[in-house]
Amino acid sequence: DTEVTQTPKHLVMGMTNKKSLKCEQHMGHRAMYWYKQKAKKPPELMFVYSYEKLSINESVPSRFSPECPNSSLLNLHLHALQPEDSALYLCASSQGNKGAGTGELFFGEGSRLTVL
Amino acid sequence: QKEVEQDPGPLSVPEGAIVSLNCTYSNSAFQYFMWYRQYSRKGPELLMYTYSSGNKEDGRFTAQVDKSSKYISLFIRDSQPSDSATYLCAWSYNQGGKLIFGQGTELSVKP
Repeated sequence: DTEVTQTPKHLVMGMTNKKSLKCEQHMGHRAMYWYKQKAKKPPELMFVYSYEKLSINESVPSRFSPECPNSSLLNLHLHALQPEDSALYLCASSQGNKGAGTGELFFGEGSRLTVL
Repeated sequence: QKEVEQDPGPLSVPEGAIVSLNCTYSNSAFQYFMWYRQYSRKGPELLMYTYSSGNKEDGRFTAQVDKSSKYISLFIRDSQPSDSATYLCAWSYNQGGKLIFGQGTELSVKP
């Protein structure tokens, strides 16, 4: 069982809705990530939080808004999404040593989002 | 040239076969090398992690890294139907946060 927990597992929303995806880890990791994965494609990085500060934003549209309330929690707020945003959204965490990431990421099972 | 090249397959083998999965990369700045396994409709699961050239073994899995040729491989011995999944190679730089993934190879092990 993964130690990164994501909720909800499935989400269907309309283009005018506001919803949030949540992620939690209790491994003491200090870096947390959001990835987006389309069918039969590799995960694509969206955001990285290191020590609760946003360190990487891969030019993600503003309709996706990340939030890191504390070192164990990561949220992704969704607003005015498009049907092409339908995908599996993966949260991951790593030890995240400052200045030297090791790349050893642990992923959650993902939240499958469908935008109608 | 793509940073990472991985044959997407699909690759189908009989149970008990030795499986060889391969990736090449172009960026010599990559320092850390990983293999992830992803079952259908699940998140990727870290299988192997290394930062040096050579072989690393874990049970039926062996990861091989050749930094001079910019080539990594994953060997699966005595393959089982439960090994049927997509296998993703991945790299990172020596700084925080970003993994570069290969396209993933879809493997099917037939009983």
